Amino acid sequence: ETGVTQTPRHLVMGMTNKKSLKCEQHLGHNAMYWYKQSAKKPLELMFVYNFKEQTENNSVPSRFSPECPNSSHLFLHLHTLQPEDSALYLCASSQEEQGATVYGYTFGSGTRLTVV
Amino acid sequence: GESVGLHLPTLSVQEGDNSIINCAYSNSASDYFIWYKQESGKGPQFIIDIRSNMDKRQGQRVTVLLNKTVKHLSLQIAATQPGDSAVYFCAEESGGSYIPTFGRGTSLIVHP
Repeated sequence: ETGVTQTPRHLVMGMTNKKSLKCEQHLGHNAMYWYKQSAKKPLELMFVYNFKEQTENNSVPSRFSPECPNSSHLFLHLHTLQPEDSALYLCASSQEEQGATVYGYTFGSGTRLTVV
Repeated sequence: GESVGLHLPTLSVQEGDNSIINCAYSNSASDYFIWYKQESGKGPQFIIDIRSNMDKRQGQRVTVLLNKTVKHLSLQIAATQPGDSAVYFCAEESGGSYIPTFGRGTSLIVHP
C-alpha cells in the first residue's frame, strides 16, 4: 500500500451511466491530483486540488467532474462517457511547500475504466 | 511546448547486468527531476529525485545523473533483478510550478 487508495480497481460502464471514482490519501498531504493514463501516452494531468481548492483544470471535458470535500478525499464523477475515455485513472497526492513538491508524488494503483 | 522524452521505449537486460535508462528534457527552467517505476497493475512509484543544484544522487542500487548542459537525465540500476522489470518514467518540474511533466516511459525487461 502506498498510502493512496483508489476504488474501484476496475469499472465497466455504459455511455449513459453515471459512476464515481474515489481516492483517499492517508499521508497528510496538501495536494491531490487526477491523471489519465492511456496506452503509449504520457500521463495526462486532469485536475489539481491544493488545500481543497481546485487550482488546475487541464481542459478536461465536462463529462468529468471532480470533487474534493476535504484534503484527504478526492472524487471523479463520470457521466455520459465515450469509449475513448477508457483508460487507467490515477490519483496522486503530494506535499507542496513554497510552490515546490517535496519528494514527488505518491500514486494510487488506479481505476481501470472501460466504457462500452 | 516543453517536453520530456525518453530515448528508448524498451530496454532488455540480463539479470545481474547494470541498466541505464535515459531521459531528455527541453525546459531549461526545470529544477527538480524525479524517476518513477510503474509495475503492471500498479500506479507509478517514486524511486529517486534530484534537484538542479546537484549532478548525481545515489540510492539503494539506483543512481540518477543530471547533465544540465545537455538537458539529460539518466537512471542507473546496478545488478538488475527480475523485480526491476517495469516501466520507468522521468518527470520534471520547473521553478514555482509543482505540476510535473512526465515522459512516455521506458519498459525495462530483465531476463533471468
